[in-house]
Amino acid sequence: AQTVTQSQPEMSVQEAETVTLSCTYDTSESNYYLFWYKQPPSRQMILVIRQEAYKQQNATENRFSVNFQKAAKSFSLKISDSQLGDTAMYFCAFMLASGGSNYKLTFGKGTLLTVNP
Amino acid sequence: GAVVSQHPSWVICKSGTSVKIECRSLDFQATTMFWYRQFPKQSLMLMATSNEGSKATYEQGVEKDKFLINHASLTLSTLTVTSAHPEDSSFYICSASRGPVYGYTFGSGTRLTVV
Repeated sequence: AQTVTQSQPEMSVQEAETVTLSCTYDTSESNYYLFWYKQPPSRQMILVIRQEAYKQQNATENRFSVNFQKAAKSFSLKISDSQLGDTAMYFCAFMLASGGSNYKLTFGKGTLLTVNP
Repeated sequence: GAVVSQHPSWVICKSGTSVKIECRSLDFQATTMFWYRQFPKQSLMLMATSNEGSKATYEQGVEKDKFLINHASLTLSTLTVTSAHPEDSSFYICSASRGPVYGYTFGSGTRLTVV
């Protein structure tokens, strides 16, 4: 079974600064996807960024980027130029690339990020 | 694209009654949908995998007879909480995908309160 660990229950950052959220995972598989989801106070889950395990290049989406270290099974999220709207719970998630019911997501416990003005 | 609509957004019901929550993929077909439960300040807990045209696959510890899931079409899955009790009060979220490479789109969630 796959597990996802987020070791930082809460973090805070000043507006316009950079923050990095940590995520590690455990799997014996080699083909999988990793995701970061954001859940603001509205509780709507929003996909922030996605990484395919077979890609060595780190994914980026505007101010969001990841540091994917496959050998270390680490998948951290960096948020640059933090904005007040980034305040949310962030969940790291894992999904096997094989088919059928294995398409389900395994979530970490989340990191509550607060961006301070 | 890839919008998932979930209704109702909140519902209050009396203990012993049943509540149905709908999850619709509006602009794509979803052969598989997922239902989660989330307690305050906690992560999402997968309850079941809903497959179009077949029985749902429930996670260990989830009562099949209490949480009835029906996936009648490629765009609609429903979760019915039967004989609800206060301990069933929670936030329920559905998700759907066009395929793993696209990731998953989540509904906006349903806050269920049983009184």
